[in-house]
Amino acid sequence: SYELTQPLSVSVALGQTAKIACGGNNIGSKNVHWYQQKPGQAPVLVIYKDNNRPSGIPERFSGSNSGNTATLTITRAQAGDEADYSCQVWHNSVVVFGGGTKLTVL
Amino acid sequence: QLQLQESGPGLVKPSETLSLTCTVSGDSISKSSHYWGWIRQPPGKGLEWVGSMFFGGDTLYNPSLKSRVTISEDTSKNQFSLRLRSVTAADTAVYYCARHLNIVGADSWGLGTMVIVSA
Repeated sequence: SYELTQPLSVSVALGQTAKIACGGNNIGSKNVHWYQQKPGQAPVLVIYKDNNRPSGIPERFSGSNSGNTATLTITRAQAGDEADYSCQVWHNSVVVFGGGTKLTVL
Repeated sequence: QLQLQESGPGLVKPSETLSLTCTVSGDSISKSSHYWGWIRQPPGKGLEWVGSMFFGGDTLYNPSLKSRVTISEDTSKNQFSLRLRSVTAADTAVYYCARHLNIVGADSWGLGTMVIVSA
């Protein structure tokens, strides 16, 4: 089975840049999507197909994907960005999620 | 505007069947090019895909749950449903329904419904 690996937690100072990694075997060949989830709320798609932002998502959110690692980058981090972030791919007709990363804005 | 809403019992006894329904408005499950799926999240844990359907009978299931899961459609009501048999405490989770596609991800989610498995 295919697995996606994320760090349990990432911290970033207010106004700085946060990077959240998602590791998977040859993940660069897949479409990677990223979700933001705040406590008690449903996930929200923030990046689709590696580096595309849905309507309404700030330009501060971006993504990249190459080799065995995909990365979600959040520039000028705000207090409101504090949340859990999960990556997701589709592998052999199976939807796979990473374990999620808790982003703390200091 | 697309909306999805989950409904169903919040408490299920061990060994029984969990049944949930997702009502869709703003898109037609029989005409959409998307999959319609179920994702769950146990308390304090990450997201886990349960399974998805495409109109016309194409269903995909998480291999770890495949023997216990059935996802079906009711196009007359624009709904799709989840049945999970022989539940245990490990099936306790918030269950979300969502619209998704490989190239664009899950772009619309329901609010989620908490299901507790307990005697």
